[in-house]
Amino acid sequence: AQSVTQLDSHVSVSEGTPVLLRCNYSSSYSPSLFWYVQHPNKGLQLLLKYTSAATLVKGINGFEAEFKKSETSFHLTKPSAHMSDAAEYFCVVRSPPSGTYKYIFGTGTRLKVLA
Amino acid sequence: NAGVMQNPRHLVRRRGQEARLRCSPMKGHSHVYWYRQLPEEGLKFMVYLQKENIIDESGMPKERFSAEFPKEGPSILRIQQVVRGDSAAYFCASSPPLADQETQYFGPGTRLLVL
Repeated sequence: AQSVTQLDSHVSVSEGTPVLLRCNYSSSYSPSLFWYVQHPNKGLQLLLKYTSAATLVKGINGFEAEFKKSETSFHLTKPSAHMSDAAEYFCVVRSPPSGTYKYIFGTGTRLKVLA
Repeated sequence: NAGVMQNPRHLVRRRGQEARLRCSPMKGHSHVYWYRQLPEEGLKFMVYLQKENIIDESGMPKERFSAEFPKEGPSILRIQQVVRGDSAAYFCASSPPLADQETQYFGPGTRLLVL
């Protein structure tokens, strides 16, 4: 079975400092992995995705993530946090292509950015 | 190209009433997914539909919940005889039929409150 574990439910950083949001996955297949961001009372926006191409994936708004098979991790990073980055972040694994492509979500990490 | 549209954005129902949630996928998308987000939790898969077909409903509660995606018109998630535990945000996502099928694009959600 596929699953993702987001290791921190809350992360606080100061504006201008690096961001690290951790995600570990479990999959018996070569996984497709995604990071989505959800601002308060809004929908989900795709930040980036990994689909078995380059292991370092660059996304929007300066975010990137590195797929590490040996560590079963897909951590999200950003060199310098901005106030507008404050939101909920979800790590997602897609189920294997056996007729359905449903997403399996982590429980989310709420990022707080301090001025 | 308009994104995924959902309406209503907010819905209030009393216990025992019916709730109808609508989702219009992005233009050219023929796959629709419904997810439910309970307070302080990640999203949970409910159902995956293609035009006129339910492909995977493994996440749907066995009673009171149904979904459809007719040949014409939006996808509908219907909850009969709502209970307080149905209060949640319901998100719809769509994906194209080929190529980038694994990327899902989310709507803004419908927030259902059951009194």
